[in-house]
Amino acid sequence: NAGVTQTPKFRVLKTGQSMTLLCAQDMNHEYMYWYRQDPGMGLRLIHYSVGEGTTAKGEVPDGYNVSRLKKQNFLLGLESAAPSQTSVYFCASSLGQEQFFGPGTRLTVL
Amino acid sequence: GQQLNQSPQSMFIQEGEDVSMNCTSSSIFNTWLWYKQDPGEGPVLLIALYKAGELTSNGRLTAQFGITRKDSFLNISASIPSDVGIYFCAGQKAGAGSYQLTFGKGTKLSVIP
Repeated sequence: NAGVTQTPKFRVLKTGQSMTLLCAQDMNHEYMYWYRQDPGMGLRLIHYSVGEGTTAKGEVPDGYNVSRLKKQNFLLGLESAAPSQTSVYFCASSLGQEQFFGPGTRLTVL
Repeated sequence: GQQLNQSPQSMFIQEGEDVSMNCTSSSIFNTWLWYKQDPGEGPVLLIALYKAGELTSNGRLTAQFGITRKDSFLNISASIPSDVGIYFCAGQKAGAGSYQLTFGKGTKLSVIP
């Protein structure tokens, strides 16, 4: 099993550009999550999903959208990137409380 | 915002020493989890605690779920260089739905050989 995978690993955007981060899991988990990690801030929840076709807002949802069209995939979109969205983004999945994380995507917005 | 206070923020220890770090909150938690993050990687689950007072070990790691359900600690015995990394506590607050976790800001551990 690959576990949780994320693409791309790195990306540089200009302000105003859009992009989609892809998360995939092969563990048949119902729950999936997107976090951002900033220095000194720990992990903050952006959006999450409790199952295929459902999404919900987390702690810091502004500027992001998500979709869960298939159980194994959870997409995070930035419609108009801003420098404040420079961060490392982690996807996670779980059956219950124990969340399993992907390797992260490092995004820089210039 | 975040409601978990994790301490210390960072620590430098000599190889072979024992390490202790903790997480406290003003809220009650149903679950405590401890993760380790290596540079450039995602967090990896070390230990999960589900009951107040529970003490669980994983090799040289020992973690406890506080009796008040508002705190947890992680001990590492006989530290080795590969213990270097950032350790995060995370908890599911009582009443929180959908297994959402609240994370501490991390304890950065450095081990001097």
